[in-house]
Amino acid sequence: DIVMTQSPDSLAVSLGERATINCKSSQSVLYSSYNKNYLVWYQQKPGQPPRLLIYWASTRGSGVPDRFSGSGSGTDFTLTISSLQAEDVAVYYCQQYYNTPYTFGQGTKLEI
Amino acid sequence: QITLKESGPTLVKPTQTLTLTCTFSGFSLSTREVGVGWVRQPPGKALEWLALIYWDDDKRYTPSLRSGLTITKDTSKSQVVLTMTNMDPVDTATYYCARCLGGGNSCYFDYWGQGTLVTVSS
Repeated sequence: DIVMTQSPDSLAVSLGERATINCKSSQSVLYSSYNKNYLVWYQQKPGQPPRLLIYWASTRGSGVPDRFSGSGSGTDFTLTISSLQAEDVAVYYCQQYYNTPYTFGQGTKLEI
Repeated sequence: QITLKESGPTLVKPTQTLTLTCTFSGFSLSTREVGVGWVRQPPGKALEWLALIYWDDDKRYTPSLRSGLTITKDTSKSQVVLTMTNMDPVDTATYYCARCLGGGNSCYFDYWGQGTLVTVSS
């Protein structure tokens, strides 16, 4: 199985500041034939299901504000929130879909 | 509008079999490169991927639970069913179904149900 490791486990950022969450995979999730990274980011607020933020490592999902961006390739990825808003308080997960079983990171709790 | 909804028992006894149904609308599981999967989340813990069924009936399972899991689809009813045998208290979790979208034999979850909490206790 591909192991996904996020850092940090929790993060406190002031309103309007930048938040950065990292995700590392135990093997590359870049499918070179398609030049695509099989990496997705989700946001989960308390009592709610996960919400798709970013897929293919850097493509924003429908309706996702442009303050959310994804970057990285191979084994190292980053989710960046450029200017933190109060509604961004949540737990963020990365997940690889390169190989089954599709595996999640342990989550990063983002607070203000 | 795409929606998914999980249904099934909220309480099961240890060693019993759990059967969960995902009823969806707004898409068809006969469409190429579409799948439906299951993910669970124990209280206060991280997400865990369980199983996935693709439009072509290809099925994938998490190896750690493979012997106890079965996923099936009924395209005409827009339903996917997950069964899990020999339930244990550690299987207490919120169980989510989600649509899986992608290319080839890989996909990401773009729409999720609200989840259903299943408690395993005698």
